[in-house]
Amino acid sequence: AQSVTQLGSHVSVSEGALVLLRCNYSSSVPPYLFWYVQYPNQGLQLLLKYTSAATLVKGINGFEAEFKKSETSFQLTKPSAHMSDAAEYFCAVSKGYGNKLVFGAGTILRVKS
Amino acid sequence: DAGITQSPRHKVTETGTPVTLRCHQTENHRYMYWYRQDPGHGLRLIHYSYGVKDTDKGEVSDGYSVSRSKTEDFLLTLESATSSQTSVYFCAIKGEGDTQYFGPGTRLTVL
Repeated sequence: AQSVTQLGSHVSVSEGALVLLRCNYSSSVPPYLFWYVQYPNQGLQLLLKYTSAATLVKGINGFEAEFKKSETSFQLTKPSAHMSDAAEYFCAVSKGYGNKLVFGAGTILRVKS
Repeated sequence: DAGITQSPRHKVTETGTPVTLRCHQTENHRYMYWYRQDPGHGLRLIHYSYGVKDTDKGEVSDGYSVSRSKTEDFLLTLESATSSQTSVYFCAIKGEGDTQYFGPGTRLTVL
């Protein structure tokens, strides 16, 4: 069965520092990969999507993600954290018929001033 | 905003009572999904629909049923709510490029 592992349930960075969130997936075939963000008491918002066209994908709010097939990883980065980036981030893999999403457990990002 | 609304947004109910959550979309999407969100588990798929009257089970379907009699509405029913079904429920649609877009969620508390 497809599984998604997010490394670190909580990540804390200082404002202006690099944000790096890690996601590993289990699949022999590169799937569609997604990063979503959830602000408190809100729904999920799409940050970016990987569909095999390129290894580096740019998303909204200055985020980008790198797909590493050899490591089955999909890392989310942002060069300089802003206070408004504090939220929970979810990695997800699209699986099989119906494009069902399998989610990681989420990583809560805290940004310190 | 993918034109998705969920109702109710909050509900408190008692164990053993039936509960129905509604997802409504305005853009004629074929695929609709119900997920539940619990701390430490991310979101998990309950059921999904690939057309009117066409539904299938997801990862955590026990205790839930769904119905889709119109393209725009996807209903999730808890026939007899249990405390383990206390959760936040999200509806989603599959939009352009196979991307799923989510509704605002329904927070359900079963006492």
